[in-house]
Amino acid sequence: AQSVTQLDSQVPVFEEAPVELRCNYSSSVSVYLFWYVQYPNQGLQLLLKYLSGSTLVKGINGFEAEFNKSQTSFHLRKPSVHISDTAEYFCAVSSREDTDKLIFGTGTRLQVFP
Amino acid sequence: KAGVTQTPRYLIKTRGQQVTLSCSPISGHRSVSWYQQTPGQGLQFLFEYFSETQRNKGNFPGRFSGRQFSNSRSEMNVSTLELGDSALYLCASSLGHINTEAFFGQGTRLTVV
Repeated sequence: AQSVTQLDSQVPVFEEAPVELRCNYSSSVSVYLFWYVQYPNQGLQLLLKYLSGSTLVKGINGFEAEFNKSQTSFHLRKPSVHISDTAEYFCAVSSREDTDKLIFGTGTRLQVFP
Repeated sequence: KAGVTQTPRYLIKTRGQQVTLSCSPISGHRSVSWYQQTPGQGLQFLFEYFSETQRNKGNFPGRFSGRQFSNSRSEMNVSTLELGDSALYLCASSLGHINTEAFFGQGTRLTVV
């Protein structure tokens, strides 16, 4: 079975500062990894995904993430955040044997201050 | 291109009642998944349908059920509602396997009183 741990429930940061949202996963099989963003009263939007290949993945809105197999991590980064990045961010995993089902972390609330 | 449409957006029901939620996927998408989102449990997988067949099911009681129609539209039903069923129910559609990118609807906010 897979599990996902998002180590920080809240991350406050000032506008234009860099940010890293941490995600660790646990799985006995190969996995696919995802980051989603949720704005208030909205559904989830895919930021980026890792399926295979290059461990550095670039997504929308200037976000990127790096897959580290030895540390079982998939941290999300952005070099300079904007007020509009304030939202809830979810890390998710699916196994290559059970691709229909996403297992989500508990989420990290990113709060960007002016 | 229209996105995933969930109806209704908000719903208030009484304990013991049943409820049906609807999800219309993006045109051409054959896979529909359902998730429950609560402050305490976070996002949890309910079930997934592909071409009218349930391919996967999460760890929820039998009160939670679903189906998919030939046009890929899906419904989920919750019978004998409990207060703990209050949640945001999210539907996601994709072309096939989830890793081909799932597009989420805005959700149905269910409140059980």
